[in-house]
Amino acid sequence: GDSVTQMEGPVTLSEEAFLTINCTYTATGYPSLFWYVQYPGEGLQLLLKATKADDKGSNKGFEATYRKETTSFHLEKGSVQVSDSAVYFCALIGGSQGNLIFGKGTKLSVKP
Amino acid sequence: GAGVSQSPSNKVTEKGKDVELRCDPISGHTALYWYRQSLGQGLEFLIYFQGNSAPDKSGLPSDRFSAERTGGSVSTLTIQRTQQEDSAVYLCASSLGGFRADTQYFGPGTRLTVL
Repeated sequence: GDSVTQMEGPVTLSEEAFLTINCTYTATGYPSLFWYVQYPGEGLQLLLKATKADDKGSNKGFEATYRKETTSFHLEKGSVQVSDSAVYFCALIGGSQGNLIFGKGTKLSVKP
Repeated sequence: GAGVSQSPSNKVTEKGKDVELRCDPISGHTALYWYRQSLGQGLEFLIYFQGNSAPDKSGLPSDRFSAERTGGSVSTLTIQRTQQEDSAVYLCASSLGGFRADTQYFGPGTRLTVL
């Protein structure tokens, strides 16, 4: 079945460091890909998405490119802030029901 | 506009009791999803509604779990004879049409603790 694998955390970075969180997927067909974020004490919210190969999703300085040839959707940010501390989930929608299939999440802590 | 709301926000119950969790989706969203978030299992999909219909209930963990949606709006997830392994945060999400490209908007969740 469809699945998502993302790098395990926790990840600890200093402010202004470069961030990469790796995400790869297995799916039949052409899934849509998502990054969701969960800030401390808050609910899940969409960070960015891409619905076809070579699309780049971007939001709040974060970017991810849908790479079909490597089945990847890595999340990047050039300069992280303390306020980016959260848990990040990579996910896909591929099946007929339209449900999200999530990776296990990566906890990011950014130190001042 | 209002987002997805869920009630109660917290529920503590004794093993063996029944619980009902409620979800109010964003107005006009035809698709509604239930997920469960637990430390051991991560985020797992439970059930999907398109309108009032749930075409596939195979994601529900056991026959103690059931869900319904009425009027194409409010949904309830019922867990009968709760067990300790049911302890988790239950999340509801809705999307406009249920298509692959649609964004799912999540509610704040109901934290269920079974003693």
